[in-house]
Amino acid sequence: TQLLEQSPQFLSIQEGENLTVYCNSSSVFSSLQWYRQEPGEGPVLLVTVVTGGEVKKLKRLTFQFGDARKDSSLHITAAQPGDTGLYLCAGLPSGTYKYIFGTGTRLKVLA
Amino acid sequence: DVKVTQSSRYLVKRTGEKVFLECVQDMDHENMFWYRQDPGLGLRLIYFSYDVKMKEKGDIPEGYSVSREKKERFSLILESASTNQTSMYLCASSFWRGGAYEQYFGPGTRLTVT
Repeated sequence: TQLLEQSPQFLSIQEGENLTVYCNSSSVFSSLQWYRQEPGEGPVLLVTVVTGGEVKKLKRLTFQFGDARKDSSLHITAAQPGDTGLYLCAGLPSGTYKYIFGTGTRLKVLA
Repeated sequence: DVKVTQSSRYLVKRTGEKVFLECVQDMDHENMFWYRQDPGLGLRLIYFSYDVKMKEKGDIPEGYSVSREKKERFSLILESASTNQTSMYLCASSFWRGGAYEQYFGPGTRLTVT
C-alpha cells in the first residue's frame, strides 16, 4: 500500500509566524497537489506540481516538489487567521487515475 | 472556473434505506471520483470512473455502487444504508492540464444514517 505521510499532524501558531508542512513518500509521483479544506466543505485545490525540484508560489504560500518526485513541502510566510484549515497533499502515481492522499495537517493560526 | 456540484449538503437516512448521492461537473471532465472522509482515516476512495459507463473499484467499495450514464454525472448508491456509512462524502472530477491531471472537489454531502 502506498503511503503519503504528512507532518506535523497539528500546528497551532500565532499570526505572523512562518511554518512548513511536509509530505513524504517512498513512491514516485507523476504530479502532486496541495489542497486546503475548511470544516464542512470540500478540499480546494491550491497548486499542482509536476517537475522534480519545481517551486511554485501562491501569494504567501510556497510549494516545492522534491527532486525525486517523492516528497513535497508547503511553506507559509507570515501566517494569517485566514490560513486556518486542513492542508492535504495528494500524489498521483504514474499510469493511474487514483490519487494517494496524505494524512493531513490541521493548522490553526491565532490572531 | 471548474465547478463540481453535489445534490445535497446534508442528508439524514434510516438504516436499510437506499440512498442516492449525485454529483455533476460542468467541465467535460473524463474522470470522476467518490470518496468518503472520516476523522482519523482521511480520504478513502470508494469508486472512480474514467469514462461513461466505465467504473473501477477503489479501496472501500463494499456496500456501495455507482452509475455513470452521462459524462457530467456520477452517482453513488448505498444499496442498504448502515450506520457505519455515516460520513462526509466527497465527489471529485479530474482533467489534464499543464502536464498533469488536476482534481477538483465538490462541497461534500454530510450523510447521517440513524
